[in-house]
Amino acid sequence: QVQLQESGPGLVKPSETLSLTCNVSGDSITNSNCYWGWVRQSPGKGLEWIANIYSGGTTQYNPSLKSRVTIFLDKLKNQVSLKLTSVTAEDTAVYYCASRLPGTVMTSCYFDNWGQGTLVTVSS
Amino acid sequence: EIVLTQSPATLPLSPGEGATLSCRASQSVSSYLAWYQQKPGQSPRLLIYDTGNRAPGIPARFSGSGSGTDFNLTISSLEPEDFAVYYCQQRRNGITFGQGTRLEIK
Repeated sequence: QVQLQESGPGLVKPSETLSLTCNVSGDSITNSNCYWGWVRQSPGKGLEWIANIYSGGTTQYNPSLKSRVTIFLDKLKNQVSLKLTSVTAEDTAVYYCASRLPGTVMTSCYFDNWGQGTLVTVSS
Repeated sequence: EIVLTQSPATLPLSPGEGATLSCRASQSVSSYLAWYQQKPGQSPRLLIYDTGNRAPGIPARFSGSGSGTDFNLTISSLEPEDFAVYYCQQRRNGITFGQGTRLEIK
């Protein structure tokens, strides 16, 4: 069973760069023909998609965040990573890594596999 | 960017009743529409994908319908564990989520 485990700094200062990592266990990130993604949720708010990346490197970004976000794969470490620059208090959120489970009957790319999320607080 | 608008924002119902949640897209998403359930402190859970397909392990009381810009999630008879927040999501152009509908116990 593929498991996703997010990790991050917990606390980031305004204007700094946030770096997050999603450790994937149970399968290689290069095996999927679907994308790996990041989604965030501000406290008490809804879900906001951040970015996707396919194993071949093709990326998609939320237009509202595109100028500040980079998603990339570390194939050696089997990780999906995210960098968000120039953070503000509005970037305070739980950040989720998500994917499609391998071997699912679902041929379309939807997120049926989620990590537990990591809370990031932006504060000085 | 495709905007998804969910209604109602809050839906108070009793166990055993049926529920219909709506999601309207600002432009056609074809059938590329999914529904997720999220309970407090938990990650979202995929219920329905491609408008009307139940994800593995999802009970038959959950069903999805619609096409183009108007979609519904129907729960035929509410169980106590169904009270949660529900989000629709499109993948026709990038990904966007609706703002959510909170299904609460009346």
